[in-house]
Amino acid sequence: DGGITQSPKYLFRKEGQNVTLSCEQNLNHDAMYWYRQDPGQGLRLIYYSQIVNDFQKGDIAEGYSVSREKKESFPLTVTSAQKNPTAFYLCASSIGGLGSYEQYFGPGTRLTVT
Amino acid sequence: QKEVEQNSGPLSVPEGAIASLNCTYSDRGSQSFFWYRQYSGKSPELIMSIYSNGDKEDGRFTAQLNKASQYVSLLIRDSQPSDSATYLCAVKISGGYNKLIFGAGTRLAVHP
Repeated sequence: DGGITQSPKYLFRKEGQNVTLSCEQNLNHDAMYWYRQDPGQGLRLIYYSQIVNDFQKGDIAEGYSVSREKKESFPLTVTSAQKNPTAFYLCASSIGGLGSYEQYFGPGTRLTVT
Repeated sequence: QKEVEQNSGPLSVPEGAIASLNCTYSDRGSQSFFWYRQYSGKSPELIMSIYSNGDKEDGRFTAQLNKASQYVSLLIRDSQPSDSATYLCAVKISGGYNKLIFGAGTRLAVHP
């Protein structure tokens, strides 16, 4: 079964703690993305990676970090520097390259920080 | 700032009717457009993509694109209660990488 998996589905953390969200895909896609969704708002891009060992900041990268050591994996760390981390986090992937822009989403991780 | 605008709704339609969802975008150079369906508490699911002016049909769904007016729409024929969800419009911005800008979505409610 090809797809994108994210774990865990729900995550609870205390303020001041770093937390890492997992994203794995077996679609053989080159490009991967992290978005954040807040109630009533569109998806906002945090980081994206077009190829292994390369990634770029999106629109709201402050307080987040990523790595792309393997094609299949693109973990997101939410650091204590992120001022308002409670949100629904979505990982997506696409084939990459020109002409193939459809993005497919994982099931998401709902993070609550108190 | 490149933007995608959608009416937040809710758009309420009776079962069997046509639901019409609209989206406008600001980047005149955009060439690729997508519609996603998102059920409450779930992740977005791609339902349509459109690249050329005109209509594209897939089952009960029709996407319509008018680049001159910077307008894209989604029609859902024979609406069913299971179509009740939030529909997100996404636009690939012009430029060198595969970045999509998402609208905030329109909530559709189909009542029996």
